[in-house]
Amino acid sequence: KAGVTQTPRYLIKTRGQQVTLSCSPISGHRSVSWYQQTPGQGLQFLFEYFSETQRNKGNFPGRFSGRQFSNSRSEMNVSTLELGDSALYLCASSLYGTGGLGNEQFFGPGTRLTVL
Amino acid sequence: AQRVTQPEKLLSVFKGAPVELKCNYSYSGSPELFWYVQYSRQRLQLLLRHISRESIKGFTADLNKGETSFHLKKPFAQEEDSAMYYCAFLYNQGGKLIFGQGTELSVKP
Repeated sequence: KAGVTQTPRYLIKTRGQQVTLSCSPISGHRSVSWYQQTPGQGLQFLFEYFSETQRNKGNFPGRFSGRQFSNSRSEMNVSTLELGDSALYLCASSLYGTGGLGNEQFFGPGTRLTVL
Repeated sequence: AQRVTQPEKLLSVFKGAPVELKCNYSYSGSPELFWYVQYSRQRLQLLLRHISRESIKGFTADLNKGETSFHLKKPFAQEEDSAMYYCAFLYNQGGKLIFGQGTELSVKP
């Protein structure tokens, strides 16, 4: 079974631009969660999508948005980029997103975003 | 607010020594807790979860509700255990994990 894939792996943008990151979950997984990882703040939850609906949301400004398609693939978008948005963005997929045995989250390799 | 605390940023031990990585959480309900590990240049992966009560790679973790802790232990550390370890809490039974700041474990020969 192929793992979670994320594209692109690296991205360089300038302040004010917008960016779209993509995540393909493991086949059959319906929940996709996004996280931001920075040296200062660690791993922070952005949002979770399940069956094309946002089910959970973290404490990030409205510039961060996402969506999920019918095939469970997900995209996240950051508009009006700021220097502080430089981070590793991770997505994770699971069968249903809820707890319980067998519903662990599998992480992708991440997209490294650098904002200049 | 729900929070996970890992008090040590770096833990350095010698091979064969016991290891304990500390994790404390704040939550009034019944938590679901995990330990994730990230080896150098690899993706984040699940090490173990409290509901499975397993021992993975010699690591165990017991949920102590009285002390609100979920410490990760291994009796004899190996050099290949060197990695970043994250304690995480599943919030609201959805796909939202709240992570601690992580502890870097360094096992010296």
